Amino acid sequence: KAGVTQTPRYLIKTRGQQVTLSCSPISGHRSVSWYQQTPGQGLQFLFEYFSETQRNKGNFPGRFSGRQFSNSRSEMNVSTLELGDSALYLCASSAGTSAGANVLTFGAGSRLTVL
Amino acid sequence: AQTVTQSQPEMSVQEAETVTLSCTYDTSENNYYLFWYKQPPSRQMILVIRQEAYKQQNATENRFSVNFQKAAKSFSLKISDSQLGDTAMYFCAFMRNNDMRFGAGTRLTVKP
Repeated sequence: KAGVTQTPRYLIKTRGQQVTLSCSPISGHRSVSWYQQTPGQGLQFLFEYFSETQRNKGNFPGRFSGRQFSNSRSEMNVSTLELGDSALYLCASSAGTSAGANVLTFGAGSRLTVL
Repeated sequence: AQTVTQSQPEMSVQEAETVTLSCTYDTSENNYYLFWYKQPPSRQMILVIRQEAYKQQNATENRFSVNFQKAAKSFSLKISDSQLGDTAMYFCAFMRNNDMRFGAGTRLTVKP
């Protein structure tokens, strides 16, 4: 069973540009969550999608957006990049159902460097 | 919003010994889930153990066990017979309604 796949693994952008990151969840998982990980702030929740709808949202500016497709794959976009956006962006998938503990399975992450 | 606090930024333990990582959380909810995740230097996050808040019995997974004190909102992780491969960042996490929040993490180093 394939795990959570994130692409690209590494990327370098300059300030003002935009970036799109992709996440393919485990087959059958309908929920995808995104996190930003930095040494100073730790793991910060961005948003969670379930069946193409944003179900939960963290406290990030509108420059951070996401979407989910009918096959459960998800993308997140960051526009007008700032130096502080340099981080490891982690995607995690789960069954997303309301019953039971929805264990998150994480991808390897996309390392974004903003110059 | 729920908050998760890990008060130990770094810890170390000798191989084969036991270490306990602390975690407290703040919530007004009664039904929720707690997790410990591990992130080795290669950075892939891996689930270590999970606990349902409605269960009084502490979860155990081989050398890993938790001490869940619901009234005190405490959820510590005990690692017995520490191994070099246990060296990693450990994150405590709280989940409710598919919204999972993490603590700042504890960097654990197992020394030979």
